[in-house]
Amino acid sequence: DGGITQSPKYLFRKEGQNVTLSCEQNLNHDAMYWYRQDPGQGLRLIYYSQIVNDFQKGDIAEGYSVSREKKESFPLTVTSAQKNPTAFYLCASSSGQDLTDTQYFGPGTRLTVL
Amino acid sequence: AQKVTQAQTEISVVEKEDVTLDCVYETRDTTYYLFWYKQPPSGELVFLIRRNSFDEQNEISGRYSWNFQKSTSSFNFTITASQVVDSAVYFCALGGYTGGFKTIFGAGTRLFVKA
Repeated sequence: DGGITQSPKYLFRKEGQNVTLSCEQNLNHDAMYWYRQDPGQGLRLIYYSQIVNDFQKGDIAEGYSVSREKKESFPLTVTSAQKNPTAFYLCASSSGQDLTDTQYFGPGTRLTVL
Repeated sequence: AQKVTQAQTEISVVEKEDVTLDCVYETRDTTYYLFWYKQPPSGELVFLIRRNSFDEQNEISGRYSWNFQKSTSSFNFTITASQVVDSAVYFCALGGYTGGFKTIFGAGTRLFVKA
């Protein structure tokens, strides 16, 4: 089955630790995205990548880093510089490099900082 | 600047009632795209519809229908004969080119359907 997988589903982190969230897609999509969702709020774009080995900052990139070494993978690292990392993180992909294409989402990772 | 407003934070209905979720957008683009997504309690966003700015025809898919009106910059979503399984957060989104290629999401409307 084609789709987007994110792991882990729940993640707990101590303050001061970096943590990496996994996102894999087997849809052969060019573009991939990371969003953050806080309770009662919409989605905010963290980073996006339109092609392998290239990525761009979104609206709230500070304290986060990404890599795109393979077409199917777009991991997100939440660094200790992110002041308020507790949130729900959603990964998405779209078929073309046009960022207005339909995005398809993974199941999300809920990160809690203890 | 582009903006999506979903003024209804929460809506509560009784099963079998019809319900309309409002979406108002702002853009200076002539070509843009509008989307609706459903986010059930599991968390994953489920794509419902994509509509481009040149297609103002209303669309119906089963119990779901969408009303796109460029004159009022609205793209409203109606669920007919609501069911408990429709309980979710619904997001409207706008894809456009002002300020760079981007899709932005509204804050969402939480729908409760009571049995």
